[in-house]
Amino acid sequence: DGGITQSPKYLFRKEGQNVTLSCEQNLNHDAMYWYRQDPGQGLRLIYYSQIVNDFQKGDIAEGYSVSREKKESFPLTVTSAQKNPTAFYLCASSISTGSDEQYFGPGTRLTVT
Amino acid sequence: AQSVTQLDSQVPVFEEAPVELRCNYSSSVSVYLFWYVQYPNQGLQLLLKYLSGSTLVESINGFEAEFNKSQTSFHLRKPSVHISDTAEYFCAVSGDHNTDKLIFGTGTRLQVFP
Repeated sequence: DGGITQSPKYLFRKEGQNVTLSCEQNLNHDAMYWYRQDPGQGLRLIYYSQIVNDFQKGDIAEGYSVSREKKESFPLTVTSAQKNPTAFYLCASSISTGSDEQYFGPGTRLTVT
Repeated sequence: AQSVTQLDSQVPVFEEAPVELRCNYSSSVSVYLFWYVQYPNQGLQLLLKYLSGSTLVESINGFEAEFNKSQTSFHLRKPSVHISDTAEYFCAVSGDHNTDKLIFGTGTRLQVFP
């Protein structure tokens, strides 16, 4: 059963702590993406990776970091430098570049208090 | 720079009524256009997409959208909605064909009432 998994579904952290969100895909897709979703703001791109060992900043990368050591994995770390980390985080992947659609995971809701 | 505008943040409608969710975009290059649907606390699912060819595209559950280049629009329509269509709908544009980066609109919440 191919797809994208994100874990955990809900995550709670204290302010000042770094936290890593998991994203795994078994679709053999080259490209992977992280989005942040806030009410009334749609989805905003945090980071994306077109190939293993390479990634680029999206529109709101400050306070976040990523790695792409394996094709199937693209973890996102929300650092203590992110001023407003509470949000719904969505991971996506696509076959490659071009006209391909993005496939989304179920999301992780992060709450920082 | 590209952008997507979804003017209606919420659209309430009764079951079996027609609905149109509006999407306008701006881009200086040729674009691909997408509609995604999100059910509560879930990820996004592709509803339909326009890449090229026929300007009218359809989904398997009765939605359709028409690409209108002169009006830079890609409105989503359904002639008769069902309660199960209640969800948030996102329009997205991709104009950078060297990546699959998408620019999303802010979403339209479709609420179908019995």
